[in-house]
Amino acid sequence: GESVGLHLPTLSVQEGDNSIINCAYSNSASDYFIWYKQESGKGPQFIIDIRSNMDKRQGQRVTVLLNKTVKHLSLQIAATQPGDSAVYFCAVPEMGRRALTFGSGTRLQVQP
Amino acid sequence: EAQVTQNPRYLITVTGKKLTVTCSQNMNHEYMSWYRQDPGLGLRQIYYSMNVEVTDKGDVPEGYKVSRKEKRNFPLILESPSPNQTSLYFCASSLQSLGETQYFGPGTRLLVL
Repeated sequence: GESVGLHLPTLSVQEGDNSIINCAYSNSASDYFIWYKQESGKGPQFIIDIRSNMDKRQGQRVTVLLNKTVKHLSLQIAATQPGDSAVYFCAVPEMGRRALTFGSGTRLQVQP
Repeated sequence: EAQVTQNPRYLITVTGKKLTVTCSQNMNHEYMSWYRQDPGLGLRQIYYSMNVEVTDKGDVPEGYKVSRKEKRNFPLILESPSPNQTSLYFCASSLQSLGETQYFGPGTRLLVL
């Protein structure tokens, strides 16, 4: 089945800096990718998604980049704020099983 | 307000005592799913449902049951809980399939003694 990995379990950045969180996936046929944010004590919250016919998608202060050649995606957060402190997951649907496979998560710590 | 609700939010029980965690969504979503979250293992899918009366196993279905008699509700049933089912549980829903954004509930923290 699909496997999804995140490159760093923890990322510490200074407030105002840009953050980059990385994710790798295994199935080259995957065509939809999702980033979630999970704050302490809460459920995962949708941030942004991207389909495989795109290599970049921008939201409010967030950008997702998709590199299908190396099966890698990244989440960029501009001007990181204390409220961005959370665990970030990438998720990839396993189409055959209607399942959503999550990466292990990267904890983003924003230092004031 | 569009939301997914779960009850209870916290539960302490003993081995073998049947319990049900309820999940309800008010968005008329067809797809619903249960996950458990454990340290170092991330989120793993337990069961999912594509629509009323249509359910299927996820990655870790052993020891769990679900039912989908109504579109809005998707309860998770532990017939005989064991300590290895101590975990944080999330219910999620989406409009139709995984091609849509999934909305997660606030979570239910379960401790089985």
